[in-house]
Amino acid sequence: AQTVTQSQPEMSVQEAETVTLSCTYDTSESDYYLFWYKQPPSRQMILVIRQEAYKQQNATENRFSVNFQKAAKSFSLKISDSQLGDAAMYFCASMGPISSGSARQLTFGSGTQLTVLP
Amino acid sequence: GAVVSQHPSRVICKSGTSVKIECRSLDFQATTMFWYRQFPKQSLMLMATSNEGSKATYEQGVEKDKFLINHASLTLSTLTVTSAHPEDSSFYICSASPGLASDTQYFGPGTRLTVL
Repeated sequence: AQTVTQSQPEMSVQEAETVTLSCTYDTSESDYYLFWYKQPPSRQMILVIRQEAYKQQNATENRFSVNFQKAAKSFSLKISDSQLGDAAMYFCASMGPISSGSARQLTFGSGTQLTVLP
Repeated sequence: GAVVSQHPSRVICKSGTSVKIECRSLDFQATTMFWYRQFPKQSLMLMATSNEGSKATYEQGVEKDKFLINHASLTLSTLTVTSAHPEDSSFYICSASPGLASDTQYFGPGTRLTVL
């Protein structure tokens, strides 16, 4: 079974500044995938970034990047040049490998509510 | 990107009635669809996984007779909340995956259910 832990229920950042959201996970799999999803007030889940565990290079998507520390089972999200539109609930999630043979479920953390201050 | 729709977006019903929520993949075939429940300011809780043409797999603690899931085609899954009660009021989200090999789930916009 996989578990995902987000220890920061709430975070705030000043507009244009940088913020890092923490996430740790636990899995017995050697191959897995990690994700950050954003849920704005509309409640539509939006994929922010994904990381394949076998890739050592940290994923980057424009202002969003991750710090993937496989040995420490840590997967933090860095948001640079924060914008008002970044305000949302952010969920860290994991997914098992293709070899599991069954539908690959997402395991979500408890979420971090990010506030962006103007 | 792939689009998943849910209908209705909001529904209010009386206690004891049944409510059906539809989840459609609009531009791809979804071998697998997932149904989640989300309480305010909480995470998504997986209720069940459905594969087209077969019975859904329910998570522990989810009443299969209460939450009926049908995945009759590769583009449509339905969740029926039977004999709804106020405690069933929640936000229900579906997601769809193109296949077992896919690591991507596409989420619907969710349905707000209020049971009076």
